[in-house]
Amino acid sequence: ETGVTQTPRHLVMGMTNKKSLKCEQHLGHNAMYWYKQSAKKPLELMFVYSLEERVENNSVPSRFSPECPNSSHLFLHLHTLQPEDSALYLCASSLTGGANYGYTFGSGTRLTVV
Amino acid sequence: GQSLEQPSEVTAVEGAIVQINCTYQTSGFYGLSWYQQHDGGAPTFLSYNALDGLEETGRFSSFLSRSDSYGYLLLQELQMKDSASYFCAVRVSNYGGATNKLIFGTGTLLAVQP
Repeated sequence: ETGVTQTPRHLVMGMTNKKSLKCEQHLGHNAMYWYKQSAKKPLELMFVYSLEERVENNSVPSRFSPECPNSSHLFLHLHTLQPEDSALYLCASSLTGGANYGYTFGSGTRLTVV
Repeated sequence: GQSLEQPSEVTAVEGAIVQINCTYQTSGFYGLSWYQQHDGGAPTFLSYNALDGLEETGRFSSFLSRSDSYGYLLLQELQMKDSASYFCAVRVSNYGGATNKLIFGTGTLLAVQP
């Protein structure tokens, strides 16, 4: 357990479904991130929230919709996904001015779109 | 664009020393980080270099040369549990000090053999 909890760990959804990924941290961090990890590719930054305000939307398709209701929770709402969206979705958090600017990652949600 | 280059795979034997190199081309540079990810697990923070030189943390050391846009992770006294993927990541912006944006490399899969 890293201190960042992601649920569910695995998700299979059809292209017409709507689902949400949840991320929760109680580390006192004030920035949260969504990354997509696909095989043989770098981790791709999707969204950045700083103090609950979205500061980066890295050209992500609108079928992915983030929500950060407070500094401890981050959601990724999914709808009308494509098979190429199948990947590991990682949430991370960090502390402004924290030592070494390190991220704490969750274990991810393995998403399969069928 | 932003790119980080790492070898895709490295193999070494228990007790040996291995060096994983990372070269980067990014718009903006505040520091170089290293993360370890075991299969199916969360990436975990290993080290951060903001200035040139060598940082040592136990069996792991990390080096940075900003003039060469180059860094490496050095793992000594290799153990079987060190078998994992290792990612370099460049901190490319700080949103005015509010938070961090990391761009990741494709990762190096290290296999430690008995």
